[in-house]
Amino acid sequence: EAQVTQNPRYLITVTGKKLTVTCSQNMNHEYMSWYRQDPGLGLRQIYYSMNVEVTDKGDVPEGYKVSRKEKRNFPLILESPSPNQTSLYFCASSLRTEFSGANVLTFGAGSRLTVL
Amino acid sequence: GNSVTQMEGPVTLSEEAFLTINCTYTATGYPSLFWYVQYPGEGLQLLLKATKADDKGSNKGFEATYRKETTSFHLEKGSVQVSDSAVYFCALSDYRGSTLGRLYFGRGTQLTVWP
Repeated sequence: EAQVTQNPRYLITVTGKKLTVTCSQNMNHEYMSWYRQDPGLGLRQIYYSMNVEVTDKGDVPEGYKVSRKEKRNFPLILESPSPNQTSLYFCASSLRTEFSGANVLTFGAGSRLTVL
Repeated sequence: GNSVTQMEGPVTLSEEAFLTINCTYTATGYPSLFWYVQYPGEGLQLLLKATKADDKGSNKGFEATYRKETTSFHLEKGSVQVSDSAVYFCALSDYRGSTLGRLYFGRGTQLTVWP
């Protein structure tokens, strides 16, 4: 089944303890992205990647790192989590379309992170 | 710059009522427009899309028409069901030639349908 898989789905951690949220897609998609969803703010993009070894900042990159060493994986790293990073996180991927550039995303199920 | 503004919710309707969720956008160039839906406890999934002016996207009884003159992409459904209860996001993707455009999302509109 074509899908984007995120782990963990739920995590409670403490301030300053490094954590990684993994994201993997099995669709050979070039484009991958991380979003956070907060009440009243909708979805905000953290980082995105156009292809292997190509990453760029989104709208809210502070406090996060990413890497894209392989096409299928795009982990999100919180080096020193803080309570304001408590949020629902989504990974998404898409295949580049040649003509319109329309970016149709496939989303993972989400990872709910709580930082105490 | 690019941005999407959609009506704030929550929207509460009775089953079989008519639904409209307004969405307007600001963009340079020729964006593609989308509606995504998020059911409780799930990730977002594409509901419909339109890639050029006057295109109508449709799926599962939902429709939206890309109106360049009013920079709008309002979502409509003639008769909602309880199973349509979800959060709906309007989004645009800017066009960059052969490169994938970034997606810009609205803040989402919560729809609750009562039997």
